[in-house]
Amino acid sequence: DIQMTQSPSTLSASVGDRVTITCRASQTISSWLAWYQQKPGKAPKLLIYKASTLESGVPSRFGGSGSGTEFTLTISSLQPDDFATYYCQQYNSYSRTFGQGTKVGIK
Amino acid sequence: EVQLVESGGGLVQPGESLRLSCAASGFTFSSFSMNWVRQAPEKGLEWVSYISSSTSTKYYAGSVKGRFTISRDNAENSLYLQMNSLRDEDTAVYFCARDVAGGSLDYWGRGTLVTVSS
Repeated sequence: DIQMTQSPSTLSASVGDRVTITCRASQTISSWLAWYQQKPGKAPKLLIYKASTLESGVPSRFGGSGSGTEFTLTISSLQPDDFATYYCQQYNSYSRTFGQGTKVGIK
Repeated sequence: EVQLVESGGGLVQPGESLRLSCAASGFTFSSFSMNWVRQAPEKGLEWVSYISSSTSTKYYAGSVKGRFTISRDNAENSLYLQMNSLRDEDTAVYFCARDVAGGSLDYWGRGTLVTVSS
């Protein structure tokens, strides 16, 4: 099975900061990677699919990049609504796998 | 408006069974593959199972293979998860989610809580 490893597990940032989260796959997954945002008690929300394509309605401050085994989610200017947990997910193989999550907290 | 509504969760003892349902509306259910994803208390997301639009293809996570069965009724716009031989570690909120663009999940339900405890 393909394993997904996110880093860091937690980070503290201030409003206006540029935030970068990394996701590594245990084997190549081409660009078959999605990013989600989840807030406490809520379902996850799709932000980006196919590594870099922004889901409709998602603010342009969110960006994704990478291919193969290394991927990045960038928030260009952190907003109050962005404090949440972020997950990557691969869909290259017959199964889907999530990373362990990155919690973005207030500094 | 796309809506996914899960039901069927509850408290069961280890070894017992439970059947979850997900009612879909607002889109052509028969055209989309679907998934179940779970989240244990205070833990991350874990993909559980996938079913293609025609039901011809089904996949399972290793942790549930042989115990859980995914199915769907396209005439009823419903997705199901039959869970047998439940274990303490199956305790989680179970979400159904629509599969798009080859495997990203664009719509999710609010989830239903399954608690396995003696």
